Amino acid sequence: DAGVIQSPRHEVTEMGQEVTLRCKPISGHDYLFWYRQTMMRGLELLIYFNNNVPIDDSGMPEDRFSAKMPNASFSTLKIQPSEPRDSAVYFCASSPSGRAEFFGPGTRLTVL
Amino acid sequence: AQSVTQPDIHITVSEGASLELRCNYSYGATPYLFWYVQSPGQGLQLLLKYFSGDTLVQGIKGFEAEFKRSQSSFNLRKPSVHWSDAAEYFCAVGALNQAGTALIFGKGTTLSVSS
Repeated sequence: DAGVIQSPRHEVTEMGQEVTLRCKPISGHDYLFWYRQTMMRGLELLIYFNNNVPIDDSGMPEDRFSAKMPNASFSTLKIQPSEPRDSAVYFCASSPSGRAEFFGPGTRLTVL
Repeated sequence: AQSVTQPDIHITVSEGASLELRCNYSYGATPYLFWYVQSPGQGLQLLLKYFSGDTLVQGIKGFEAEFKRSQSSFNLRKPSVHWSDAAEYFCAVGALNQAGTALIFGKGTTLSVSS
C-alpha cells in the first residue's frame, strides 16, 4: 500500500487566499484525522471522521477552517480566507482502529 | 488535566551507545500509549504502541518501551543507537476504550547522534 497520501507537499499563498489540502487515506481504514503541527503548539487534532462522517471538529480553530470527506478515499481541509497564523504543517492520518496510527507526509503551508 | 510530558527537549547520544527517552502522562482513562518518530520533512511513523498485556513492548527499528503504571511512564529505549536514528520522537496517549479519541502528543524530543 502507498500509505496516506497528501497533496500538495508544500503550499505558499498570500493572506486572504483560499487554500485546499487533500488527503487519500489507506484503503480500508475507516477513520481519518487531520492534525496541525506548529512549533508553539505542537501537534493538535483539528477534526476526525469515521466512515466519512465528521465525529469531532472541536479542534478546528475557527469558521475559516472546514473539512469534508465525500467518500472513503478522499478528504479535504479548506482554509478560507487564509491568514499568516495558519502557517503550519498539516498532517492527515488514517487507521482502522480509531487512533491516528498512520500519518501522511504532511503539507507545509506558508501564508504570506 | 490530560497531558503528556517529554522532559528532554534535546538529547545527544554517541553512536553505539544506549538510549532512553522519557515520557510521562496524566490521563483519566485507561491509556493507550504510542511512540512516533519524525524525520525532518517527513510525517510521523509509528514505532510501537501499548494497550494491554506485557508491559514491555517491542517496536520497529530495534526500539522497545516499558509501561510503568505506578510511575505513569512509557519510556522508549534502544540498546545501541545508529546515526540514522537521529530524528524527533513523540510520545502520545489516547483512551483505550474510546475509538477516535484525540491522541494527546508530547512536545517531542530531538535526538542527535554523534560519531
